[in-house]
Amino acid sequence: QKEVEQNSGPLSVPEGAIASLNCTYSDRGSQSFFWYRQYSGKSPELIMFIYSNGDKEDGRFTAQLNKASQYVSLLIRDSQPSDSATYLCAVKGSQGNLIFGKGTKLSVKP
Amino acid sequence: KAGVTQTPRYLIKTRGQQVTLSCSPISGHRSVSWYQQTPGQGLQFLFEYFSETQRNKGNFPGRFSGRQFSNSRSEMNVSTLELGDSALYLCASSSDPGSNFFYEQYFGPGTRLTVT
Repeated sequence: QKEVEQNSGPLSVPEGAIASLNCTYSDRGSQSFFWYRQYSGKSPELIMFIYSNGDKEDGRFTAQLNKASQYVSLLIRDSQPSDSATYLCAVKGSQGNLIFGKGTKLSVKP
Repeated sequence: KAGVTQTPRYLIKTRGQQVTLSCSPISGHRSVSWYQQTPGQGLQFLFEYFSETQRNKGNFPGRFSGRQFSNSRSEMNVSTLELGDSALYLCASSSDPGSNFFYEQYFGPGTRLTVT
């Protein structure tokens, strides 16, 4: 069974700090990696995707991928209270579907 | 461009009944995937349809079924409802599921199903 693991949190950071969210996956053949943000009572919203080793930056968000270590991370710089949500890591499995972690709950304190 | 739409948004059913949920993907997207989300299990993959064909299926019992129409709209059906089927059912659309890489999925608002 292919798995995606995330620390459930909650992860609490002060406003303006960097939030670091981590994810590991078991399928070494995975090639596509995604981060979704889900506010309470809402559906997941795609915020980042990454396919190559290294860093990918988009505004305050940076996704980092290390395929050798089977590790994906999401950094949120200058965290805002509006970033408080559950962050879901997803990996495209070898069978073609997305496999989701259970999410890390982030709380940004003003 | 309109996003993914799902109907109905909320549904209350009784054990033993059946239910049909509908999903309209983003215009031009031909792939529709369905997920079940519960607090305990998280997001679990049900099945994916592309060009009216089921391409992939998760580990759910046969009571869960789906189909896709020629306009890419999709429906999922759950027969003989059980209390444990209470969940948020999410539909996601994607433009190119055949690619190894480009598989960004965009979710609809979901249907909240409560089974009593």
